[in-house]
Amino acid sequence: EIVMTQSPATLSVSPGERATLSCRASQSVSSNLAWYQQKPGQAPRLLIYGASTRATGIPARFSGSGSGTEFTLTISSLQSEDFAVYYCQQYNNWPPIITFGQGTRLEIK
Amino acid sequence: QITLKESGPTLVKPTQTLTLTCTFSGFSLSTSGVGVGWIRQPPGKALEWLALIYWDDDKRYSPSLKSRLTITKDTSKNQVVLTMTNMDPVDTATYYCAHLTMITHFDLWGRGTLVTVSS
Repeated sequence: EIVMTQSPATLSVSPGERATLSCRASQSVSSNLAWYQQKPGQAPRLLIYGASTRATGIPARFSGSGSGTEFTLTISSLQSEDFAVYYCQQYNNWPPIITFGQGTRLEIK
Repeated sequence: QITLKESGPTLVKPTQTLTLTCTFSGFSLSTSGVGVGWIRQPPGKALEWLALIYWDDDKRYSPSLKSRLTITKDTSKNQVVLTMTNMDPVDTATYYCAHLTMITHFDLWGRGTLVTVSS
């Protein structure tokens, strides 16, 4: 089973600054990697899929990169509404299962 | 516009079987590449994928919960049903259903339903 490890667990950043979140897979997932944002009391929202493609309606300040086992979500200039928990998720072709990371909490510094 | 909504009991007793229904609109589960998945989240904890059903009725389960889960679909009713047997207090969580697209990720989610397991 592929394990997804996110780091750091908590990231403190000031508004307007850049945030970099990491996600590592225990084995290659190619580019089958998505990122989600979740705010308290809400369902997750898709931000990035295919490791680097922004979902519909997602602002350009969100970008994803990486392939294989190392992935990064970058938020270029943090807005107040960006402080939330972020999860990465992989899809593996065989065995065909889905795994989420444990999340990174992005908090205001 | 795609929408999904979870329904089912809010409280179940230990050892009981949980049955949750996801009722969706705005897409057909007969369309190639489409699926519906179930994901849960214990209070204050991370997301955990449970099960998936694809347009062709292929089904996938979390390896750690496979023995307890069954997922089915009723295309005519636009519903997906998840059953989980032998419920335990550690299964207390918000249960989400979500639309799977391009076979790899969930682009739209329901609002979730909180299920508490307690005697």
